[in-house]
Amino acid sequence: DQQVKQNSPSLSVQEGRISILNCDYTNSMFDYFLWYKKYPAEGPTFLISISSIKDKNEDGRFTVFLNKSAKHLSLHIVPSQPGDSAVYFCAASARTGNQFYFGTGTSLTVIP
Amino acid sequence: KAGVTQTPRYLIKTRGQQVTLSCSPISGHRSVSWYQQTPGQGLQFLFEYFSETQRNKGNFPGRFSGRQFSNSRSEMNVSTLELGDSALYLCASSPGQGPETQYFGPGTRLLVL
Repeated sequence: DQQVKQNSPSLSVQEGRISILNCDYTNSMFDYFLWYKKYPAEGPTFLISISSIKDKNEDGRFTVFLNKSAKHLSLHIVPSQPGDSAVYFCAASARTGNQFYFGTGTSLTVIP
Repeated sequence: KAGVTQTPRYLIKTRGQQVTLSCSPISGHRSVSWYQQTPGQGLQFLFEYFSETQRNKGNFPGRFSGRQFSNSRSEMNVSTLELGDSALYLCASSPGQGPETQYFGPGTRLLVL
């Protein structure tokens, strides 16, 4: 069973515009969330995290929003740049351990 | 600090063989987790080791095993390889207080023929 879902396999955005990547989860015990970016033939690179005590966390061009009642989180990238083109994964964990559940990823293409 | 390193980077094996993959975590990190990535499946959690003990385990058959040494380096072993084991195997390290940000290595690409 896929406890973390990224329902959009791909997304295309014009350079300079906002990219919004979405992630849904089913397990109400999840309380720590991560976003990673992955280029082909490389390991995932950590982008930003959020814990359930917050509903928003910002780091430069990246902002993650968490809606606990909807079990939904989103990653906003503003402004989008061609170098942001990659696969983005969201991941979730419960406070009881260090086991993360990953979504299947969204491939973002930023068009110059 | 040096990042997470994995060896080898690429590996070709045949069905029925076994394979051992190695992961060296970031200095000071005591937790090492292993993931399998296959097309369309995202990253699937295999197991996590902390202080030489398996702390968490995913839903993989017993052919997949691991261990961690006193210096926090970890190895993953897959016995009796099947074609479906072809994947990118990633390890990630973190300090070990969980849950916390995990930092990934570049992965080992395993091809089973």
